[in-house]
Amino acid sequence: DAGVIQSPRHEVTEMGQEVTLRCKPISGHNSLFWYRQTMMRGLELLIYFNNNVPIDDSGMPEDRFSAKMPNASFSTLKIQPSEPRDSAVYFCASSLEAGSGSNQPQHFGDGTRLSIL
Amino acid sequence: QQQVKQSPQSLIVQKGGISIINCAYENTAFDYFPWYQQFPGKGPALLIAIRPDVSEKKEGRFTISFNKSAKQFSLHIMDSQPGDSATYFCAARGGYNQGGKLIFGQGTELSVKP
Repeated sequence: DAGVIQSPRHEVTEMGQEVTLRCKPISGHNSLFWYRQTMMRGLELLIYFNNNVPIDDSGMPEDRFSAKMPNASFSTLKIQPSEPRDSAVYFCASSLEAGSGSNQPQHFGDGTRLSIL
Repeated sequence: QQQVKQSPQSLIVQKGGISIINCAYENTAFDYFPWYQQFPGKGPALLIAIRPDVSEKKEGRFTISFNKSAKQFSLHIMDSQPGDSATYFCAARGGYNQGGKLIFGQGTELSVKP
């Protein structure tokens, strides 16, 4: 079975450029999560969606970051303009159902390693 | 109050030994405590999880011990193998009004020496 698919796997770009990260969740999963991983801050939740609707975006660092989920099988995380401090590994995860009482695990993609020069 | 504190930051264990990783939390509303395993270049993968109404859960060589009164939980890896070398993250899920949001510990880099 296909897991969570993220693209690109690696992205190197110059500061000021727009960066778009893409995620295809596992078919049938209705919750989607975007995380950022750095050595300093560890694994941080940026935003999550339930049934394509953003539920909690309190982890989005600033207005330069935006995320969309136009349908159940696709989500994007966009950074515009990008800065060197945005360099990190960005993970997308999906689960069957989020919420208290649900023990459904989050399945992670293999991430996008982003380097902003 | 939303933090999960994990220790140690790194751990070296001999093959066949026991690896122990500890986590502590403050928010008593957390209702689900998973452990994730991450290999280099890969995303974290669920290893084992526990709910706070259970004091211990065992799956193969992996055991979670949970102490609700102390607000602590730990992962024990018995008979550690070189293939267990990875980064391990504990996590906690927010309560009723937090949806599926997970708060992760800082991670423990485990190295099992042959």
